Amino acid sequence: EAGVTQFPSHSVIEKGQTVTLRCDPISGHDNLYWYRRVMGKEIKFLLHFVKESKQDESGMPNNRFLAERTGGTYSTLKVQPAELEDSGVYFCASSQSSGGATDTQYFGPGTRLTVL
Amino acid sequence: DQQVKQNSPSLSVQEGRISILNCDYTNSMFDYFLWYKKYPAEGPTFLISISSIKDKNEDGRFTVFLNKSAKHLSLHIVPSQPGDSAVYFCAASAAGNQFYFGTGTSLTVIP
Repeated sequence: EAGVTQFPSHSVIEKGQTVTLRCDPISGHDNLYWYRRVMGKEIKFLLHFVKESKQDESGMPNNRFLAERTGGTYSTLKVQPAELEDSGVYFCASSQSSGGATDTQYFGPGTRLTVL
Repeated sequence: DQQVKQNSPSLSVQEGRISILNCDYTNSMFDYFLWYKKYPAEGPTFLISISSIKDKNEDGRFTVFLNKSAKHLSLHIVPSQPGDSAVYFCAASAAGNQFYFGTGTSLTVIP
């Protein structure tokens, strides 16, 4: 069974540009999460999808970030326009079942975003 | 404000000895706690969890202890092996909501 995949693995862009990150969850997982880790800091929750609906987007930093999950399969996270403080590693995770805390979340390898 | 704290950024342990990783939290509503392990260039992988109704959970070489009164949990690895060298994150949640992670502790097991 394929795990969570993320594309690209690295992205280097200039301030003001747009970047779109993609996450493909494990097949059949209804729950999809986005997290971000700024270098040396904690892994921070961004948002949670159940199928195509946003269950919790309380962690999204501001309106420059837009997450979508059309059709309830893969998800994209767009940053427009990117700022220097957006640099970090963006992780995607997915889980089956109810999406509660006791469901194991399986993480992808992350996308390392560098904004110059 | 960080609700889950791992105050030791790194830890080195001899192979075969015990590794103890610590985590403190501030939110008394947290009722579920997890440890994740992360190798370089990979995503975190789930290691072990504990519910607030327990004070200990064991899985092979890994044991998690929870002290609710002190708002403290720890992960014990015994015996430690070189393959355990990784970054360990603790995480907590309240009522099935979002996870709050710590900053991670980098464990090095010296052969």
